[in-house]
Order: sequence, then structure tokens, then C-alpha cells
Amino acid sequence: EAQVTQNPRYLITVTGKKLTVTCSQNMNHEYMSWYRQDPGLGLRQIYYSMNVEVTDKGDVPEGYKVSRKEKRNFPLILESPSPNQTSLYFCASSSHVNRITNYGYTFGSGTRLTVV
Amino acid sequence: ILNVEQSPQSLHVQEGDSTNFTCSFPSSNFYALHWYRWETAKSPEALFVMTLNGDEKKKGRISATLNTKEGYSYLYIKGSQPEDSATYLCAFMRGGGNKLTFGTGTQLKVEL
Repeated sequence: EAQVTQNPRYLITVTGKKLTVTCSQNMNHEYMSWYRQDPGLGLRQIYYSMNVEVTDKGDVPEGYKVSRKEKRNFPLILESPSPNQTSLYFCASSSHVNRITNYGYTFGSGTRLTVV
Repeated sequence: ILNVEQSPQSLHVQEGDSTNFTCSFPSSNFYALHWYRWETAKSPEALFVMTLNGDEKKKGRISATLNTKEGYSYLYIKGSQPEDSATYLCAFMRGGGNKLTFGTGTQLKVEL
């Protein structure tokens, strides 16, 4: 089944303790992206990657890191989480994001992160 | 940061009603407009990707239109059913860009 897999689904952690949220897709998509969802603010892009070893900042990158060493994986790293990073996080992937043949993003199931 | 606005914020309709909502986006440097359906406790699913002014797309009882010159898109649901209850998101991509900017969504509840 074509899908984007995120782990974990739920995570409670303490301020300052490094964590990684994993994202993997099995559709050979070039493009991958991380979003966070906060009430009243919509989905805001954190980082995106056009292909292996190519990453760029989205609208809210502060406090996050990403890497794209392989095409299928795009982990989100919080080096020193803070309570304002408590949010619902989504990974998404797409083929040909900037071509007319794009069919939209495929989203992962989300990770609800709480930083206390 | 681009401004993508959706209205109304929420909508309650009766089963069988037809309904529509709006997405407004910058009218300059347009590349694509996406619509997604997001059910509670699930992840957003793509409905339509629209790229041409005047585009109309349809999937079952759901359809969408696009006006890139004035910067808006409408999503229509004909004969709403309870299973249509969800948040409907639009997202805008500008020319030369590599990212989607999402609106805050319209939350639709269809009651029996």
C-alpha cells in the first residue's frame, strides 16, 4: 500500500531532551515536507526537501533540523525541544511537486508532540 | 508569508443540503491550487489539484472551480451526507515556488 509512515504517533517529552520524529514513504517521491498544525493557524511548513541531500527552510524552521540522506526517509529532529513546539506534526510527500502532473500531497498519520 | 484565506470558518448543514465554500489566494504569480479533505483523527487527503484559470474538477458529489485572475476557488458539495463532515483545506502554490501554503480550513458538519 502506498503510504507515508510517521513514528511515533504520540510523544510526551521534557524540555531540552533531543528527539527525532521519523517519516518514511514507499512511493519513490522526490518531494517531502514537514508541517505543524496549531489551532487557528492552519498547517505551517517547517522544512521541505526537493530530493536527496536537498533541503530548505519553510515558514517556521526555528528549533528544527531535517536530513534527507535517502529518498524514502525525511526525519524531523528537535535538538532541544521547548513547550512552544507542542503541536501536531505531519510529514507529507509528493511526486513532481512543481509540475502540472502533480496529484497532491500524501500525508502521514501525524505525530502529536507534547513538550513539558 | 503568503495569505490564503478560507470562508466560512465552519458550517453546519442538514443532510441533503448543497453547500459551498471559498478559498482566496494571491492573484499574481499563480501556479497551482490544491483542495484537501481532512477527517477528524485522520490525515488530509488530496481532492483536487487545479492549475488553469477556469478549471473545473469533479469527484462524485464534490466539485471545484478556479479563478486565478481574481484569486479565488470554490468547493461545492451537492446533497451533503454525514460522511462529508470534515475540514476542507485549500493550499496555494506560487510560480517558481516549491511549497504549498495552506489556509486554515472550513469545518463542515452535516447533520441528519
